[in-house]
Amino acid sequence: KQEVTQIPAALSVPEGENLVLNCSFTDSAIYNLQWFRQDPGKGLTSLLLIQSSQREQTSGRLNASLDKSSGRSTLYIAASQPGDSATYLCAVRPQHNFNKFYFGSGTKLNVKP
Amino acid sequence: SAVISQKPSRDICQRGTSLTIQCQVDSQVTMMFWYRQQPGQSLTLIATANQGSEATYESGFVIDKFPISRPNLTFSTLTVSNMSPEDSSIYLCSVDPTGGEYTFGSGTRLTVV
Repeated sequence: KQEVTQIPAALSVPEGENLVLNCSFTDSAIYNLQWFRQDPGKGLTSLLLIQSSQREQTSGRLNASLDKSSGRSTLYIAASQPGDSATYLCAVRPQHNFNKFYFGSGTKLNVKP
Repeated sequence: SAVISQKPSRDICQRGTSLTIQCQVDSQVTMMFWYRQQPGQSLTLIATANQGSEATYESGFVIDKFPISRPNLTFSTLTVSNMSPEDSSIYLCSVDPTGGEYTFGSGTRLTVV
């Protein structure tokens, strides 16, 4: 069974800092990996989707990388802002079970003004 | 990507009662997925709902407790039955209309007292 781990569980940084969130998964046979943002008590907002054949995706200040062979993905946030404060979740979709989606436990980010 | 309207956004319910959560999608989708997020935890898949057939439940979830309807390709409901305080969670629906990127509803924050 696929297991997804996110480190750190929580992170507090001053505004303007660049930061990296980590996601690791145990089974490299994935179809894709998706990063989400969740504000307290709310639903999930998709940030970036990386297909298994891709190495990275970028959207604005966000860059996500994927190293399938080592079972790792990172989400890089440049020039962090207080509005980036949220929980960030990664989720992987296995190749052999297309309708399954395995979530990590999230990294709770606090960007201090 | 698809837009999902989920209702209610939050509710406080008495134990022993039932709550029905609705999700409306702005496009036709084959599958809809229902998730639960218990306080401080990540998302757990409850069931997958196909139009015209019974929902497929994950281990630990049963139809009597979480009946699901899927009357057409744009709508689904999840009922949380005979509620107890342990059912207090955020419930989310999601779809994957393009076979790649998941989209989530805004979530229903349920508190059982």
